[in-house]
Amino acid sequence: DTEVTQTPKHLVMGMTNKKSLKCEQHMGHRAMYWYKQKAKKPPELMFVYSYEKLSINESVPSRFSPECPNSSLLNLHLHALQPEDSALYLCASSPFGLTTGELFFGEGSRLTVL
Amino acid sequence: DAKTTQPNSMESNEEEPVHLPCNHSTISGTDYIHWYRQLPSQGPEYVIHGLTSNVNNRMASLAIAEDRKSSTLILHRATLRDAAVYYCILSGSARQLTFGSGTQLTVLP
Repeated sequence: DTEVTQTPKHLVMGMTNKKSLKCEQHMGHRAMYWYKQKAKKPPELMFVYSYEKLSINESVPSRFSPECPNSSLLNLHLHALQPEDSALYLCASSPFGLTTGELFFGEGSRLTVL
Repeated sequence: DAKTTQPNSMESNEEEPVHLPCNHSTISGTDYIHWYRQLPSQGPEYVIHGLTSNVNNRMASLAIAEDRKSSTLILHRATLRDAAVYYCILSGSARQLTFGSGTQLTVLP
């Protein structure tokens, strides 16, 4: 299994809703990443978990809350989002913590905030 | 963090080689050079990475200048499936990957 699986693929939410994005990998990778990608822009790093501990938070607003319950699973909890938070949210993993090598990306969760 | 500069777009004919350039004049001695590509409606896909020496794999080759201030991704025979945005990325001081603006490659039949 060489996949990073993200659910849901599409999510529409209101500004007062609470929702979560989920990411799963069964490759035994020890680092997991959240990126945000706006249309026609490159992905922007949000968070990195290395060995299940939050290693990097790129000054992301607190309405985005990451969680890494175990080494295979990464969640992104969403609360009180703004319409400008609408984007493609990409999850990635890498074998040995923060990486000098290959990142494996999921296909993303497309979020629309109304 | 060191930054990369790539052309916004390039075109290639099918079955011909493609050379995608990247400038990274402020690269540090410990930065690796990575290339990823992103096909429409998909997440980025790893292509290749290297530090100092040229690298080859089944997808592409990476040629790194001797002073490491530039590199070139070489697709030996472009196919229509290679049409994508290609990102040249340096690993930062904390080894995270920060994407630049990328090159949109169009492959013409």
